[in-house]
Amino acid sequence: SQQGEEDPQALSIQEGENATMNCSYKTSINNLQWYRQNSGRGLVHLILIRSNEREKHSGRLRVTLDTSKKSSSLLITASRAADTASYFCATDTDKLIFGTGTRLQVFP
Amino acid sequence: EAQVTQNPRYLITVTGKKLTVTCSQNMNHEYMSWYRQDPGLGLRQIYYSMNVEVTDKGDVPEGYKVSRKEKRNFPLILESPSPNQTSLYFCASSAYRGLVYNEQFFGPGTRLTVL
Repeated sequence: SQQGEEDPQALSIQEGENATMNCSYKTSINNLQWYRQNSGRGLVHLILIRSNEREKHSGRLRVTLDTSKKSSSLLITASRAADTASYFCATDTDKLIFGTGTRLQVFP
Repeated sequence: EAQVTQNPRYLITVTGKKLTVTCSQNMNHEYMSWYRQDPGLGLRQIYYSMNVEVTDKGDVPEGYKVSRKEKRNFPLILESPSPNQTSLYFCASSAYRGLVYNEQFFGPGTRLTVL
C-alpha cells in the first residue's frame, strides 16, 4: 500500500511559472524527502524535511510540511525547461516508502 | 566522487537464465536497498540491508535474492527470471543512524528485459 500519494499525477506549465506538487501520507513520519527523476535515470535527492520542521528552502525549491494534515508540498519557483522531470515524495516511517510521483513538463 | 554504481545498465535475457545485477557504493553507507520501477506503480522496494550480513524483504521480494557480504556491495540475484521481472531496477544507499532514513543515493538504473 502506498504511504505517500502525490498530486497531481501530471502537471504542465510554461517557463517562468511556479509549479506546486503535493504529497499526502497516512501514518506518522520521522521525515519526508523529495526526489527528482529525469526520464529513465536514477532519483536525485532534493530536500529532507523533519517532522518538527514546517518549511525548508533550497534555491528555487520550497517545501512545507503540515503534520496535522499529513501532507507536504513542493514548490518550484520560476520554473525552467530543465525542471522537466518526475518528482517523488518519500516518507520515513519504519520504512522509507516512495509515492508514485508527479510528472512535471515545463514548456519553453 | 561519491556514487552508487550498477552493472549492467541494460540486459536482455531469457526466461530461466540466472543473472546477477551488481551494486556498489563508495560512501561507507550502512543501508542499501533495491527497488524496481514500473509504469504507474512508482518505486517498490525489493530487498534492503541495514548492514553487513543483515538483509530483509521489502514489498516485492518474490523471485529475488540478495547478499551483503561486504559493506560496499549489494548484488541482486534473479535465480530464474520470468517476463514479469522485466523492469527498471535501482540500487540505493544511505547512512542510517538512530532509526532515521537519511538522503538516499541512487544508482543509474538497470533496464532488464526477460523474454
